[in-house]
Amino acid sequence: NAGVTQTPKFQVLKTGQSMTLQCAQDMNHNSMYWYRQDPGMGLRLIYYSASEGTTDKGEVPNGYNVSRLNKREFSLRLESAAPSQTSVYFCASSAGADTKLFFGSGTQLSVL
Amino acid sequence: EDQVTQSPEALRLQEGESSSLNCSYTVSGLRGLFWYRQDPGKGPEFLFTLYSAGEEKEKERLKATLTKKESFLHITAPKPEDSATYLCAVQVRGGANSKLTFGKGITLSVRP
Repeated sequence: NAGVTQTPKFQVLKTGQSMTLQCAQDMNHNSMYWYRQDPGMGLRLIYYSASEGTTDKGEVPNGYNVSRLNKREFSLRLESAAPSQTSVYFCASSAGADTKLFFGSGTQLSVL
Repeated sequence: EDQVTQSPEALRLQEGESSSLNCSYTVSGLRGLFWYRQDPGKGPEFLFTLYSAGEEKEKERLKATLTKKESFLHITAPKPEDSATYLCAVQVRGGANSKLTFGKGITLSVRP
């Protein structure tokens, strides 16, 4: 019973490098989300996909892009990483647009 | 602007010492208030949803309550395994998960 799976778990990048965080869910959920969590701050929404084929900006989208590859998969791309993007990233999914969230175990990203 | 404030930031209890965690909110109209538990190095895990003032929900040693301005998470006779960070989030009426506002969390430590 995997739920929401994120890869990688840890990543270190140099400023200016690019990378893609992968997320997949096996619960047949319609909606998927990317959050970041920083010390002393609440979870903040980066991008979301209310349903397959749609994506939208959240609270802090600058510096990121997303792709809803199919119903199961939602990826987050950093085109040119900056130290301000050092954070823990969580992918989440929900059956509906307003129902409880199921989170992955996170990706700890450091940008040097 | 929707706001969520959790207090205290950290709480240390002795095993068996009951206490309450507070989540105060200011929103234009509340659709639902969510409680999540987050263990170190893991993603948040759903605990409860409350929709209207006066509503209560229980799970093992936890009971969540809701008023028009705040929610409490009561922990009765806690055990060391209850140690975690507890997050609350509010969803506004007419909004969706894309409009969830999370608090910063309360870190609970229960000593044996």
